[in-house]
Amino acid sequence: AQKVTQAQTEISVVEKEDVTLDCVYETRDTTYYLFWYKQPPSGELVFLIRRNSFDEQNEISGRYSWNFQKSTSSFNFTITASQVVDSAVYFCALSEAQGSNFGNEKLTFGTGTRLTIIP
Amino acid sequence: DSGVTQTPKHLITATGQRVTLRCSPRSGDLSVYWYQQSLDQGLQFLIQYYNGEERAKGNILERFSAQQFPDLHSELNLSSLELGDSALYFCASSPTDSPNTGELFFGEGSRLTVL
Repeated sequence: AQKVTQAQTEISVVEKEDVTLDCVYETRDTTYYLFWYKQPPSGELVFLIRRNSFDEQNEISGRYSWNFQKSTSSFNFTITASQVVDSAVYFCALSEAQGSNFGNEKLTFGTGTRLTIIP
Repeated sequence: DSGVTQTPKHLITATGQRVTLRCSPRSGDLSVYWYQQSLDQGLQFLIQYYNGEERAKGNILERFSAQQFPDLHSELNLSSLELGDSALYFCASSPTDSPNTGELFFGEGSRLTVL
């Protein structure tokens, strides 16, 4: 069974500080996908990134970066020079790719990390 | 704005009642996913439809059912409601049949309160 753990329930940092959100996952599959979603105060979930298990290259998108390490089953998310608009709940998610076993490619979400950026 | 429309945004009802939540996916998206977000269970996948057919099933109770219509909108029916069904119900749409190949676009959710 797949599982995603976000041990940090809440984090508060002062604006312009860097912050890293941790995500640890469990899966028996060798092929899987990892995701990060943002849920701002307005409530909707916003897609940030999807990575497959064969691509361990770190990714940077503006102030956002992601560190994928298969050896530790982690997919951490760093926000550099945080801004008040980054305040949200962030979810890490996992989806297994079971080939012909249709119907099992579904997102399993972690419990989320509430990030508050203090002005 | 994700392009996914959910109605109603808020719904208050009593235990034992039945409600229907509606979702209109983004134009052209064939997949519709339903998720439940509650304080104790977090975000739980309920069910997915792709082009009118059930594609994947998650932790959906027998009291809940869903369908996707020919125009691709979807409805989630919740019956014999219990206090524990109070939650935010999200619909998401995607152009593909798998979250591994297509981004999910989420609506703003329907907040259900059961009294």
